[in-house]
Amino acid sequence: GQQVMQIPQYQHVQEGEDFTTYCNSSTTLSNIQWYKQRPGGHPVFLIQLVKSGEVKKQKRLTFQFGEAKKNSSLHITATQTTDVGTYFCAAKYSGGSNYKLTFGKGTLLTVNP
Amino acid sequence: DADVTQTPRNRITKTGKRIMLECSQTKGHDRMYWYRQDPGLGLRLIYYSFDVKDINKGEISDGYSVSRQAQAKFSLSLESAIPNQTALYFCATGTGKDYGYTFGSGTRLTVV
Repeated sequence: GQQVMQIPQYQHVQEGEDFTTYCNSSTTLSNIQWYKQRPGGHPVFLIQLVKSGEVKKQKRLTFQFGEAKKNSSLHITATQTTDVGTYFCAAKYSGGSNYKLTFGKGTLLTVNP
Repeated sequence: DADVTQTPRNRITKTGKRIMLECSQTKGHDRMYWYRQDPGLGLRLIYYSFDVKDINKGEISDGYSVSRQAQAKFSLSLESAIPNQTALYFCATGTGKDYGYTFGSGTRLTVV
């Protein structure tokens, strides 16, 4: 089946450092969504990217969708302890039904204060 | 009150028992989903439903069944629980407009 690869699996940073997680697909995506799951919590929708080359920002978070619509990234500038959690990308594939998302395995971010 | 409510929050059950996990929503969304989360494996789709008369299998439906009792209610059953069904289960809702899903708080199920 279709898979979206997400790297790294884990990332530990010092507070104030930057953080980036990447998602890659071998086939073209219709769109991609990003979610954050705090420890012990549930996934919470952050954003959706639809257009080739799209860049969106939410405060210290920058989301990018690749020109070929096969990859995406989430970058956090100057991490804070509140950024701790697992970040998931979730892909919707072109040509397929719009009924479901395929989730990456997530990147667990820990921040040392 | 939460938009998507799952019950129970935690459950321990014995191998071979039938168990039902329940999900209700006040979002008014027509689409509902059941996902399973295991450490390091992300979220995997078990079943999904577009409306009361529509039920579809996801990627890991074996050993599970669902019922969409109403637009707002979607329950997941384990017919005969086995230990490798120990996991965190999430219900989610969505619309057909490509907006993000809304997840419930999850049910942590342990099969012993």
